[in-house]
Amino acid sequence: LAKTTQPISMDSYEGQEVNITCSHNNIATNDYITWYQQFPSQGPRFIIQGYKTKVTNEVASLFIPADRKSSTLSLPRVSLSDTAVYYCLVGDRRGQAGTALIFGKGTTLSVSS
Amino acid sequence: DAGVIQSPRHEVTEMGQEVTLRCKPISGHDYLFWYRQTMMRGLELLIYFNNNVPIDDSGMPEDRFSAKMPNASFSTLKIQPSEPRDSAVYFCASSRDSAYGYTFGSGTRLTVV
Repeated sequence: LAKTTQPISMDSYEGQEVNITCSHNNIATNDYITWYQQFPSQGPRFIIQGYKTKVTNEVASLFIPADRKSSTLSLPRVSLSDTAVYYCLVGDRRGQAGTALIFGKGTTLSVSS
Repeated sequence: DAGVIQSPRHEVTEMGQEVTLRCKPISGHDYLFWYRQTMMRGLELLIYFNNNVPIDDSGMPEDRFSAKMPNASFSTLKIQPSEPRDSAVYFCASSRDSAYGYTFGSGTRLTVV
């Protein structure tokens, strides 16, 4: 499984755009990039997934360069409620044995007013 | 949909006792995952099932841990005997895909004294 590297923590203020970058130098051809969000005392929640270029949904955008060795989660105009841990994961969606998602330590985002 | 349902939400037990955690996945999800989360080790994948069959249990810490999935709507994680170092939040998650769109339950906070 490809390993990921992301910052341990980030600080921001309300209304700012936050970009969290994740490195996955050993990503395989069939791997997808997925981001999860976790609030205290809750399980992780799926945010967004992509394979290449750009993906956007109502919550965030995901930018993936052509070499796919990194990805950037973009949160537009964060609010206090976006304070959470954000996990970047890569995984093969072909459903083969041993391809369950492995969570790293994630990035703790703290948003202040 | 009620989501992934875990029980109990909290469990306090004495060292040496047997502990059983329960999970009801989302109907139609073929994959079920058990994770454990601690401050020190983060989110660890313990075991996962596909169509009720255990696929990878390499994350199960030792023989004291066992997991079963007797049918598509129920799974258990059992610890016997329990030890203080087993204290953690145990999450169950289900998905249609091994690497996409996991839905986590609210977790069981286990405290072994």
